[in-house]
Amino acid sequence: GENVEQHPSTLSVQEGDSAVIKCTYSDSASNYFPWYKQELGKRPQLIIDIRSNVGEKKDQRIAVTLNKTAKHFSLHITETQPEDSAVYFCAVKYSTLTFGKGTMLLVSP
Amino acid sequence: EAEVAQSPRYKITEKSQAVAFWCDPISGHATLYWYRQILGQGPELLVQFQDESVVDDSQLPKDRFSAERLKGVDSTLKIQPAELGDSAMYLCASSSSGTDYNEQFFGPGTRLTVL
Repeated sequence: GENVEQHPSTLSVQEGDSAVIKCTYSDSASNYFPWYKQELGKRPQLIIDIRSNVGEKKDQRIAVTLNKTAKHFSLHITETQPEDSAVYFCAVKYSTLTFGKGTMLLVSP
Repeated sequence: EAEVAQSPRYKITEKSQAVAFWCDPISGHATLYWYRQILGQGPELLVQFQDESVVDDSQLPKDRFSAERLKGVDSTLKIQPAELGDSAMYLCASSSSGTDYNEQFFGPGTRLTVL
């Protein structure tokens, strides 16, 4: 089955800094790569996704880049704010969605 | 805005007891998923339904877990008997279809504690 590795497991930044979370996957046939944000005690919510035929996608302060050859993709958050503090999960879809173990992002004021 | 509903939100049970969780997906969503999320990890798929049919239950421990979606709308996940290792968050999600690019919408989850 698909294997998804996510790094780092925790990330602390100062407000205004950028944050980068990276994921690698094993199945080259995977074709959809969403990122979910889960605040403490709440449900996971999709924040951005990218399809395999696209290399980069941006939505305001959030961007995702995909390198199909190297089988890795990254989430970039610029100008971080305290409300960005949460656990972020990458996911990879081949037949079903496989999630990474998550990154706890803490943005300090 | 329509949301996935789950109940109960919290369940405490003793090992060897039976428990059941209920999920009501977003109206019109044909695909329904049950995930288990252990503390500190990402969700893991247990079972996927397309309408009333099971599409994937390869990770469902079938000796103790069962899931049904009889009318292709709401769904029930059952554990019998519960074991200590079943303590986790059980998340339900739905999407308009199971095809590649459809967003999955998650419910609030049921947090199960087995004593």
